[in-house]
Amino acid sequence: AQRVTQPEKLLSVFKGAPVELKCNYSYSGSPELFWYVQYSRQRLQLLLRHISRESIKGFTADLNKGETSFHLKKPFAQEEDSAMYYCALSFNAGGTSYGKLTFGQGTILTVHP
Amino acid sequence: EPEVTQTPSHQVTQMGQEVILRCVPISNHLYFYWYRQILGQKVEFLVSFYNNEISEKSEIFDDQFSVERPDGSNFTLKIRSTKLEDSAMYFCASSRFVAGGREQFFGPGTRLTVL
Repeated sequence: AQRVTQPEKLLSVFKGAPVELKCNYSYSGSPELFWYVQYSRQRLQLLLRHISRESIKGFTADLNKGETSFHLKKPFAQEEDSAMYYCALSFNAGGTSYGKLTFGQGTILTVHP
Repeated sequence: EPEVTQTPSHQVTQMGQEVILRCVPISNHLYFYWYRQILGQKVEFLVSFYNNEISEKSEIFDDQFSVERPDGSNFTLKIRSTKLEDSAMYFCASSRFVAGGREQFFGPGTRLTVL
């Protein structure tokens, strides 16, 4: 069975400091990893996905299959980055997957001025 | 920009009553999902729905739960006889594709309180 672990429930940094939100997963096949974000009073929305290898709002995440990790990083945090961040995993099992997401517990990031 | 909508935003019900949570997915999407989040816990998958049938469901999704897409627009989650432990935030989501890093678009959620 697949599992996603986000070890930090809370993470506080000061504006301009680097930030790293950790995510580890367990899945025996080829996973697809995502970061979703939920800003205050807003809905869950996709931040980035490993398959795109993109940088969104200055955030990047690299899939490390050896360490089974997909940590989210940003070199200089901004106050508007304060939100709940969820790491999520999906998979494509021979074309039979229908996109089910398995979420981690979430990390509340607070960026102080 | 099109969004997933959910009604009601908050539903309060008595234990044993039936509730129907409603969702309107994005119009050209083909895959539909329900998730729930009990307070303080992680978001959990309940069920996925494609081509007018359930494609996958979790252990949580027992006989008390059912889903329907009655009119090609709405996507509903019914809980036949609610229990206290069904109190949670319920999220609907939809996606256009399932291949290769597809994005699921989430609704704002319905907070269900069972008394």
